[in-house]
Amino acid sequence: DGGITQSPKYLFRKEGQNVTLSCEQNLNHDAMYWYRQDPGQGLRLIYYSQIVNDFQKGDIAEGYSVSREKKESFPLTVTSAQKNPTAFYLCASSPELPRGDNTGELFFGEGSRLTVL
Amino acid sequence: DAKTTQPTSMDCAEGRAANLPCNHSTISGNEYVYWYRQIHSQGPQYIIHGLKNNETNEMASLIITEDRKSSTLILPHATLRDTAVYYCIVRVAANSGNTPLVFGKGTRLSVIA
Repeated sequence: DGGITQSPKYLFRKEGQNVTLSCEQNLNHDAMYWYRQDPGQGLRLIYYSQIVNDFQKGDIAEGYSVSREKKESFPLTVTSAQKNPTAFYLCASSPELPRGDNTGELFFGEGSRLTVL
Repeated sequence: DAKTTQPTSMDCAEGRAANLPCNHSTISGNEYVYWYRQIHSQGPQYIIHGLKNNETNEMASLIITEDRKSSTLILPHATLRDTAVYYCIVRVAANSGNTPLVFGKGTRLSVIA
């Protein structure tokens, strides 16, 4: 079945360690996104990519890095520079640039919950 | 910042219609209204979207006021499984690229038996 797969679902790391979260989609979508969610809060955009080999910072990019070497994959690295990395991380993708009535609905993965000890 | 205002929380009796309001008074002519919902610890799920006409699908109905400054999401017969956080989002679409969705805090809907 087509969809978005995030891994791992749960991750524990020590403070100061870099962590990479995986996001893979087989929906043939051009655009991919990373959001962060803290308890009781809405989603905040970290990075997004509209096409392979290109990505843009979102509202809270500091302390994070991404790559988009393949259309299917958009991994997120949480670096040691991120001051409060413990959060729920959500990856999403959307179809090719909207045309006509295609409004580019976002499809989300199930999320990765990162806890830094 | 999110361009929408929603109540923090609402309750609804099981089997009754749930009406979730959203204010988007600064909406532009080319912006759509989207609704998503997020069940606890899962990724958000698309519900419905509209530009200016009322829309209905198998999940819900979307009523947009004539001036487009507000809208209401209607779940016609709420069930316990509809308990979730509902996000109202405005976004430019069509010929404008995949601009990211900006999520506010949404409305926490509790459906009560």
